[in-house]
This record gives sequence, C-alpha cells and structure tokens, in this order.
Amino acid sequence: QQQVKQSPQSLIVQKGGISIINCAYENTAFDYFPWYQQFPGKGPALLIAIRPDVSEKKEGRFTISFNKSAKQFSLHIMDSQPGDSATYFCAASIRTSGSRLTFGEGTQLTVNP
Amino acid sequence: EAGVVQSPRYKIIEKKQPVAFWCNPISGHNTLYWYLQNLGQGPELLIRYENEEAVDDSQLPKDRFSAERLKGVDSTLKIQPAELGDSAVYLCASSLESGGHEQYFGPGTRLTVT
Repeated sequence: QQQVKQSPQSLIVQKGGISIINCAYENTAFDYFPWYQQFPGKGPALLIAIRPDVSEKKEGRFTISFNKSAKQFSLHIMDSQPGDSATYFCAASIRTSGSRLTFGEGTQLTVNP
Repeated sequence: EAGVVQSPRYKIIEKKQPVAFWCNPISGHNTLYWYLQNLGQGPELLIRYENEEAVDDSQLPKDRFSAERLKGVDSTLKIQPAELGDSAVYLCASSLESGGHEQYFGPGTRLTVT
C-alpha cells in the first residue's frame, strides 16, 4: 500500500522559476513530514521538514505548505537554480513509532540554465 | 563532523552468492536504519536499531537477509543467497534518537546481482 503519493514524476523548470512538487498521504497518524534531496550516487539529504501544527515553513528558497484537512503537502523552490537539479522525495513518519520514514516515489527536477 | 560511512560503494556478484554491507553511523547516533532503494523509487525501511537492539525488522526478508549491530555502533547487513531481484541500492542512515529526529543517510552501496 502506497501511503504517500508524489507528483509529478518529473519536472522541468527554467532558471529563476518556481518548482512545485506535491504529496498526498493517507495515514492521519503521520506527524512528521520531511523533504529529501538526492543527487546521483549520493544518499538522500534532509532539505526541510514540517510538523502538522503549522501550515507553512520557509527556509531560504525552500517552502513547505501543509494542508492537514486535505492530507496534502507541497515543496516550493523559489528562484530555481541549475544546482537544484536532483531527485526530491517527500516522506512521512509517526514520531512515536520510531520514525519509520515512508517515502513518496520521487520527482526528478531539471532546472535549465 | 564525519557523515555516515558505507562500504563497499559498489558490489557485483552472481546470484546465489553471499554479500555483506557495512555501515559506520555518525558518532553518538543511537539509532541506525537500513533502507533499500530500487531504481526510480523512494527508500524503504528494512530494519531499525536502537543501540544494539533491532526494534523494527518487520520489512526484512528474514529467509535470506540478516543484520547485526554489535556494540551499538557499526552495523552489517548480509544477504545469503542473493537473488537477481536484490539488485538495488542499500542505504544506511543514523539519527541521534528515533522520534522525528533528522536521519542522516550514507551514500549507499549499489548491488548488482547477475
């Protein structure tokens, strides 16, 4: 059962544009929602994370928007740069259950110069 | 601060052969995770250790996979015998504690079974 669905599968954006990746989850017990960035040949690296008691979190050019009632959250990358080209994964976990991360399928982002 | 170290980075073996992966977590991190990542997909948890105790191994195929974390530091994941479908990247991650704390991933071991 895929508990976290991610879209789009791939995304091409021009330099300076806004990249938007969406995720939807099913399990209402999830209470921690991180986004990971993965470059080829590397392990995933935490980009930004949010807890369900806030609707938005911003760190630099990266923003998570969270809609608890819709069970959706999204990653916005402002002023996208070629160096942002990577695969992005949303994830969700239940902190009291040991933080087993359930990942989405991933979005391959390409930022053209 | 050194990150999570994994070795080998790449491994090619024939089916039915055994293989082992090693992970050294970040110093002081009590929780260690092994994930499996198939091509084009997100990682999936295989096993989680709290110190030396395996507290979540429900997704580990125990007929052929085994893991250990002696002394609560380094960990080894073993497959015996390997099957063609085991070809994937095996990721190790660690965190200070479980419960919403940031997980730091190693670079992974890419296994190819021929």
